[in-house]
Amino acid sequence: NAGVTQTPKFQVLKTGQSMTLQCAQDMNHEYMSWYRQDPGMGLRLIHYSVGAGITDQGEVPNGYNVSRSTTEDFPLRLLSAAPSQTSVYFCASSRQGENYGYTFGSGTRLTVV
Amino acid sequence: RKEVEQDPGPFNVPEGATVAFNCTYSNSASQSFFWYRQDCRKEPKLLMSVYSSGNEDGRFTAQLNRASQYISLLIRDSKLSDSATYLCVVNKANSGYALNFGKGTSLLVTP
Repeated sequence: NAGVTQTPKFQVLKTGQSMTLQCAQDMNHEYMSWYRQDPGMGLRLIHYSVGAGITDQGEVPNGYNVSRSTTEDFPLRLLSAAPSQTSVYFCASSRQGENYGYTFGSGTRLTVV
Repeated sequence: RKEVEQDPGPFNVPEGATVAFNCTYSNSASQSFFWYRQDCRKEPKLLMSVYSSGNEDGRFTAQLNRASQYISLLIRDSKLSDSATYLCVVNKANSGYALNFGKGTSLLVTP
């Protein structure tokens, strides 16, 4: 199993550009989430999904959109990149139910200049 | 009050030592608790779930005290390879299965 695959691994954007961070999992997990990690801030939840067609906002959703058209894929769209969105982005997935921890992808390091 | 709080450390311990990390959480309705490990510039990896009765996995023991809203992780016989950041994680109650992460406790095991 590949697990959770994120692409790209690195990206540099100019302010105002848009892009999509891809996330795919092959474990048939119901739950998927996007987090960003900044120095001194820990991991913060951007958006999450409990199944295809269902998404919800986390604590820092502004400037990001998500959709979940299939169980496998959960792309994160940056609408108009800002330097404040420079961060490491992690996608994660989990089976439904308590006590199943999330499996994380290897991350996308995004720099907005 | 932050939802999940941890002492950031760093904890510097010699090989073979026993070290304990603590964590507190603010939402008494939370039901799922975990410890994750994160190596520098890598993704977090699940170390262990934490159960009310306490649980052990080799050299690692996790405890949960719901009354005090307190979680602990004990590492016995520390190895150099245990050097990492340890993240305390609690689910967001009433929000599906979203998770709240502590900022992590840094551990450095020295020869």
